[in-house]
Amino acid sequence: GAGVSQSPRYKVAKRGQDVALRCDPISGHVSLFWYQQALGQGPEFLTYFQNEAQLDKSGLPSDRFFAERPEGSVSTLKIQRTQQEDSAVYLCASSLSQGYLNEQFFGPGTRLTVL
Amino acid sequence: AQSVTQLDSHVSVSEGTPVLLRCNYSSSYSPSLFWYVQHPNKGLQLLLKYTSAATLVKGINGFEAEFKKSETSFHLTKPSAHMSDAAEYFCVVSDRSGNTGKLIFGQGTTLQVKP
Repeated sequence: GAGVSQSPRYKVAKRGQDVALRCDPISGHVSLFWYQQALGQGPEFLTYFQNEAQLDKSGLPSDRFFAERPEGSVSTLKIQRTQQEDSAVYLCASSLSQGYLNEQFFGPGTRLTVL
Repeated sequence: AQSVTQLDSHVSVSEGTPVLLRCNYSSSYSPSLFWYVQHPNKGLQLLLKYTSAATLVKGINGFEAEFKKSETSFHLTKPSAHMSDAAEYFCVVSDRSGNTGKLIFGQGTTLQVKP
């Protein structure tokens, strides 16, 4: 079946531009996560949704980062006024339900390069 | 608080020889531990998980890991490396403090397999 998909796969932005990254989770998955993976590092948690509710946004690095999931399926991560330090791979993951025992399925990521 | 430390940033083995990727964890709770693999330009894939059942966990592609509470370790092993095993490997602990299931990743170990 279809896995988690993300678009675009690659995005180049000039410093100061706004970008929007899309995540299509596996159909029926309640939980959705965003992670940021800097070059040569492990992914780091950004934010978590349970259906349309954003229950944890403790990992968002600044108020320039904003995420939404208005209908409890597709999610968008928006970064305003991009900076060079925002360059990273942004990973989306979904899981069937809430909780630490559930496997997270990851998308291929969006590689963002800010010039 | 939970964390994981991968003791080697890079491991090189010859095809057909054993693989050992080392991971130590720190957790205030009984931990849920995972190993994920990341092939270039592909999404993260779950290899195996430990959730307080059997301490020896078997995963896909011949990998296994042993949970050792006394040593706070969760090392990944495989008896015989294959060229297709070359990838980035992440030891991961699930953050149980908020029950969202968000993952905390190690820094990663690059596995090189020489012919």
